[in-house]
This record gives sequence, C-alpha cells and structure tokens, in this order.
Amino acid sequence: KAGVTQTPRYLIKTRGQQVTLSCSPISGHRSVSWYQQTPGQGLQFLFEYFSETQRNKGNFPGRFSGRQFSNSRSEMNVSTLELGDSALYLCASSSRDRGQETQYFGPGTRLLVL
Amino acid sequence: AQSVTQLGSHVSVSEGALVLLRCNYSSSVPPYLFWYVQYPNQGLQLLLKYTSAATLVKGINGFEAEFKKSETSFHLTKPSAHMSDAAEYFCASGNAGNMLTFGGGTRLMVKP
Repeated sequence: KAGVTQTPRYLIKTRGQQVTLSCSPISGHRSVSWYQQTPGQGLQFLFEYFSETQRNKGNFPGRFSGRQFSNSRSEMNVSTLELGDSALYLCASSSRDRGQETQYFGPGTRLLVL
Repeated sequence: AQSVTQLGSHVSVSEGALVLLRCNYSSSVPPYLFWYVQYPNQGLQLLLKYTSAATLVKGINGFEAEFKKSETSFHLTKPSAHMSDAAEYFCASGNAGNMLTFGGGTRLMVKP
C-alpha cells in the first residue's frame, strides 16, 4: 500500500497570508490527524478527523482549521499567518487493530512564514 | 492529562555499543505506547508499539522496548548500534481518543 502523502512538501508564505495543506491517507484508513512540529514546542496535536467529522481538537487558535472529504483526504488551513506558524506540519492516518489505533505519518509539509 | 518524558535530549554511542533511550509516561489508565523515529527532513516512522499482549515488544531495525508498569517506563533498546541508527527518536502515548502525546525527543548520535 502507498503511504501517507502530503502536498506541498515545502511552502513559503508571508505574514497575514493564508495557507492550505493537503493530506492523502493510506488506502482504507478513515482517521486523519494533524500535528505541528517546531524546535521550541516539539510535536503538538492539532486535530483529528474521522468520517468527515472533527473528532478531537488540540489547543490551537481558531486560525487553524481542517476538513475531511468523503474519500478520507484531508486539508488543513491556517489563516492570517504569523511568524510563529513556521513549522513542519505532519499528517497521520490510522487504522484500528485489536482495539488499538496506530498512526502512520506522512513526510510533512515544511512551512516558512516570512 | 497524559505526559511523556524522554530523559536526555542527546545520546551519543559508539558503533556496536548498546543503545538505550529512556521514556517515562504519566497516565491514570493503561496507555497505548509507541516509539517513532525521524530521519532528517522526513516524517515519523513507526518503530514499535505496546499492545498489552506482551511487555517486551520487538520492532523494526533490531529495536525493542520493555513496558514496566511499576516504573511507568517504556525504554527503547538495541544491542548494537549502527551508523544508520543516527536519527531523532520520539516516545508517544495515545489515548482512547486517538490523540498522541509526544515526548521531547532524543537525538541519537553514533560515533564510528
């Protein structure tokens, strides 16, 4: 099976702009989660979507939003970009095996905000 | 709230030496525990996961981890380090809501 794919891999934006990142999960996986990775804060959970519904949400401002489509592909959007939004954004899709979810990560999108 | 602590942000070993990366978790209920590895400019790759079926878990690339409830630990080991093991390693705890809480990461350096 193909792994989780994320596009674009690299992105440069300026403050105040908005950005949309895309994630295609592993075939058959219905849950998609997003994480932000920065040197200062480490890996932090943004949100999780399952069957087109947001199931969990982390502690991020409302500028961060997401959605999931019927084919399980997901997008996340960041509006009014700030310098601090520069980070690696990781998407993970998960499957349930014997009652346990396991997340498989994509390569990430590296966002630089100038 | 769950928390995961990784002792040592940097660990250096010689090639062929034992690798020991430490992870302690804080959870009021039996957690789901994972180890991931991240190579430069890449995403996270799953090394192994604790499923409660066995306390000693074997993963890929010769890594294994032992779940010790009494010590709330899930340390990662490998008997003999290879140069290719140089990377950053993350311990993570999952909850029923499928949200992972990560430790701060340990960068493993392997000296020739």
